[in-house]
Amino acid sequence: DAKTTQPPSMDCAEGRAANLPCNHSTISGNEYVYWYRQIHSQGPQYIIHGLKNNETNEMASLIITEDRKSSTLILPHATLRDTAVYYCIVIKGGTSYGKLTFGQGTILTVHP
Amino acid sequence: DAGVTQSPTHLIKTRGQQVTLRCSPISGHKSVSWYQQVLGQGPQFIFQYYEKEERGRGNFPDRFSARQFPNYSSELNVNALLLGDSALYLCASSYGQLLTNEKLFFGSGTQLSVL
Repeated sequence: DAKTTQPPSMDCAEGRAANLPCNHSTISGNEYVYWYRQIHSQGPQYIIHGLKNNETNEMASLIITEDRKSSTLILPHATLRDTAVYYCIVIKGGTSYGKLTFGQGTILTVHP
Repeated sequence: DAGVTQSPTHLIKTRGQQVTLRCSPISGHKSVSWYQQVLGQGPQFIFQYYEKEERGRGNFPDRFSARQFPNYSSELNVNALLLGDSALYLCASSYGQLLTNEKLFFGSGTQLSVL
């Protein structure tokens, strides 16, 4: 699976959009980009995933660049409850038997 | 519907002891994975079980073992505990065995402290 690089920490004001970047320059054509987050003392929570196209769900939007070498997770209106560690993970299609490779992630702190 | 449930939530053991952690997946999910999360790091993959068979194993010693029961619940066993085994142990479930285009649902974990 391709390696990912994320900034170690980011801050965001409550009510503003939080844009979390992820670099995955070695991604191959059949690898998906997944985002999970982990709020303190809880298990990771799935947010969103995509292959090539931009995706949106009730939690967030995922923007993948045309060359697929980087992506951005967007939380449109951050709240204090969005304070968490956000993990960007690349998974090869058809081979990842329940295995997610978590990096260090980005600690997002949402301020009042 | 209930999410992934793990028991116990907290556990204190001493070095050399053995421990068993339990996990019940979401109803209808056939795959269970186990992860270890040491303080300050991301979770590390230990095992995946699907239809009662081991389908994946991470880089952990043989002191770690697991099994899955006919009702798809699972147990993680750790023998000869070391201080370094102190961690949050997470269980995750999914419907299928492959993660392509599928989500993992995690429990809140079992916090194991080895003294």
